[in-house]
This record gives sequence, structure tokens and C-alpha cells, in this order.
Amino acid sequence: DIQLTQSPSFLSASVGDRVTITCRASQGISNFLAWYQQKPGKAPNLLIYAASTLQSGVPSRFSGSGSGTEFTLTISSLQPEDFATYYCQELNSYPHTFGQGTRLEI
Amino acid sequence: QVTLRESGPALVKPTQTLTLTCSFSGFSLNTSGTSVSWIRQPPGKALVWLARIDWDDDKYYKTSLKTRLIISKDTSKNQVVLTMTNMDPVDTATYYCARIPPVRDDSGYFLYFFDSWGQGALVTVSS
Repeated sequence: DIQLTQSPSFLSASVGDRVTITCRASQGISNFLAWYQQKPGKAPNLLIYAASTLQSGVPSRFSGSGSGTEFTLTISSLQPEDFATYYCQELNSYPHTFGQGTRLEI
Repeated sequence: QVTLRESGPALVKPTQTLTLTCSFSGFSLNTSGTSVSWIRQPPGKALVWLARIDWDDDKYYKTSLKTRLIISKDTSKNQVVLTMTNMDPVDTATYYCARIPPVRDDSGYFLYFFDSWGQGALVTVSS
């Protein structure tokens, strides 16, 4: 099974900051990577798919990049509603592993 | 509008079998490239993918749980059912179903991602 390692696991930031979360795959997964945002008590919400394609309705301050084994999610200017937990997921093979999550807090 | 909703027992006893139903609307599981997956999340922990069923009835399971899981679909009812046998307290989690939409890349290959999720169903395993 492919392993995904997110870093950092915890991130403290302020409104207006630019933040980057990294997701590393244990083997190459081309661009079959998605990013989700999850707020407490809610289902995850899709942000990015195919490593860099912004899901419809997601603010443009979110962006994704990478291919192969290293991927990043960048939030260009943090807004109060962005404080949440973020997960990457690989969809190149089975199981569709999720990363362990990055908790973004003020 | 795509919606999914999980239903099933909130409490099961150890060794019992759990049956969860995902009822959906706004799409058809007969459409080429469409799939539904089950994902769970233990309290305070990360998401774990469990199983997937495709429009053509192909099925895929998390390797470590493969012997305990069965996923099936009833396209006439717009439902996907997940059965998990021999439940244990460590299986306590919120269980989600989610859709993979029929989206292709520029080369014509299907992309995979979960664009719509149910609200989740908390299942507690306890005697």
C-alpha cells in the first residue's frame, strides 16, 4: 500500500498568512492526488483534485501543485474560515490512502 | 443537486455485523465512470478509506479489512450498502459515503476524487 506523509501535522498561523502543507507519497502516484478540508463535526470538503485542479466553488486562494511523490497545498492569504484540518488522498491505486491530516489553527 | 445520506444502527455489539446504507440522489450509479466509496473516521483520528463500488460493479476493498467487508449496490433504489462483519470496539467511528464523479482528463482517462459526501453516521461498538 502507498503511504502518505503530511507535514506539518500541526500548524499555527494568523489571518493573512501564506501557508503551505506538504504531502509525500511512498511511491509515485502521477497526479492522482486530492486535497480536502474538514471542520469539526462536518464531512470533508473537496478543495483540489488531480493535484492542481481547483474544485468548482473553492476560493482561488487555495492552490495545489506537485507530481510523482511530492505535493503541496498552499493557501495564499488565510481567512478565518480556513482554520480546519486538511487531508491529502492518493487515488492512483488501492487502497485510496489518506494522509494523517494537518491541523491548522490560529 | 447531488446528495448522499448514510443510515444504519448507531450502536452495535462486539462480534455483530454492521450494515450501513448510503442513499443518494442527483446522479446515477449506472453512469460510466461513477463510483461510490465508504470512508470512516475514528473519533479524533484521520480518515480511512474502506471500499469502493463502480458503475460496472467492480469492487475494491481496504486490504486489511477485505475479509470483513462487502459492498453492493441497488441502482433501482439509488443505494449502496456496506456490510462489515465481526465488529470490534476499534471499529467505532463516523462512517461516510462519498461519490466519485465521471470526470476525465485531457487524455480521456477517468480522474478520481470524492466530490460529494454524506453527513456521516456515528457507529459505536460496545457491549
